[in-house]
Amino acid sequence: GAGVSQTPSNKVTEKGKYVELRCDPISGHTALYWYRQSLGQGPEFLIYFQGTGAADDSGLPNDRFFAVRPEGSVSTLKIQRTERGDSAVYLCASSSLTVMGYTFGSGTRLTVV
Amino acid sequence: DQQVKQNSPSLSVQEGRISILNCDYTNSMFDYFLWYKKYPAEGPTFLISISSIKDKNEDGRFTVFLNKSAKHLSLHIVPSQPGDSAVYFCAAYNTDKLIFGTGTRLQVFP
Repeated sequence: GAGVSQTPSNKVTEKGKYVELRCDPISGHTALYWYRQSLGQGPEFLIYFQGTGAADDSGLPNDRFFAVRPEGSVSTLKIQRTERGDSAVYLCASSSLTVMGYTFGSGTRLTVV
Repeated sequence: DQQVKQNSPSLSVQEGRISILNCDYTNSMFDYFLWYKKYPAEGPTFLISISSIKDKNEDGRFTVFLNKSAKHLSLHIVPSQPGDSAVYFCAAYNTDKLIFGTGTRLQVFP
C-alpha cells in the first residue's frame, strides 16, 4: 500500500484480556518499528525489526508484551493480561533504512477498562 | 530520565509571524535530530532534520538550528500559517531508534 496501515484504529478491551495490534508496513521496507504514545507524552520506542528478526526489543516494558513479524512484512504486537496502564496509542513505522525514510501509521488507540 | 525535552507544552502565534519551537537534549552522543509534526488521529510526519555536523538546515518556511555546545535545537517557521497548527515533536536518532520529546502544541491564529 501507499502508507503504513494499522488495524484496528481503536480497540477497547477489559483488564486482563489479550489483544493483538496489526501493522502493514510500506511494501519493500525491511525495517519496522513499534512505538507507544501515552497521553501528554511523545512516542516511546518499543521494538525494532530488521526483516523477520527483532533487532532491538529493549523498549518492551515487560514480558506481557511480544511482537512478531514472521514473513518480514506484516507485524503483530501482542499484549497479554492487559492493564489499565497499557492504554495508549500504539504507533507502527516502517523505513527504507534511512532515518528520514521513517513513515508512521495512524496508530491504534488502545483503551483498557 | 528524559533525554529529549520540550519544555513548552504549547505556543500560540499570529498568522504571518514567526513560530519558534525549542528542544533540549542531554546526550552529547546524539548525532542526528529530527522534527515531526502530528495532527490529531494521524501518525507523526517527518518535517525537517539536521546532522550534528551542521548548525542550520533550511527547507522552505522551516529552519532548524542546532547549538551543540548548549545541547539545544530550535525549529523556526516563517511565516506561520493556520495549517501549521499541530503538535510538533523533536526527536534524536540513537542507533536504531528515535527518542522523542513530549511535544509542543502550536496554534496559529488569524
